[in-house]
Amino acid sequence: GIQVEQSPPDLILQEGANSTLRCNFSDSVNNLQWFHQNPWGQLINLFYIPSGTKQNGRLSATTVATERYSLLYISSSQTTDSGVYFCAVEINPRGSTLGRLYFGRGTQLTVWP
Amino acid sequence: KAGVTQTPRYLIKTRGQQVTLSCSPISGHRSVSWYQQTPGQGLQFLFEYFSETQRNKGNFPGRFSGRQFSNSRSEMNVSTLELGDSALYLCASSLGILRVANTGELFFGEGSRLTVL
Repeated sequence: GIQVEQSPPDLILQEGANSTLRCNFSDSVNNLQWFHQNPWGQLINLFYIPSGTKQNGRLSATTVATERYSLLYISSSQTTDSGVYFCAVEINPRGSTLGRLYFGRGTQLTVWP
Repeated sequence: KAGVTQTPRYLIKTRGQQVTLSCSPISGHRSVSWYQQTPGQGLQFLFEYFSETQRNKGNFPGRFSGRQFSNSRSEMNVSTLELGDSALYLCASSLGILRVANTGELFFGEGSRLTVL
């Protein structure tokens, strides 16, 4: 089956530190998104990045589609960055996978002041 | 513009009852997807609707159903509730189908948290 693996599962940082979250996937992708789930459960879009590099403030992401991984970088962490970060992919369909995202299990990030 | 709106936000039901959850997508978005999130299984795809048609369905029993109206609003229904149906149900909308760049980015609502007693 389709595999989306995120690492590390848990990450504890002090405010100001930098971090890298990784997402490995098992097949070619049409669509890859990074989300941050806030304490109330909402998934907040961070990046739509099936390939290439994007930056948004202290966050940036790189997807190397040919090597089947994506990285999310968080610089100068703040306590408000705490939460669960999810990677989700839509695998290049060979059949019935059209129209759904497969989520990883997430990285639980805790940033201490 | 307004985001994805889900109602109700919280609800408690007992086993055997049924529940209907509602989702209003972002204005102009025609695709609505539903996902279930539980601690044990993580985030799992339920189904996707586009232009009132179910285009894709996940591996859930027939007790889980949905529909989409002409204004793109969607509802999902769970009948004969079981304890294991307790979960956060998330709705997402997108401009179009996920495969097409620039129309496939998903935007999620705040979810409906269902507790089955």
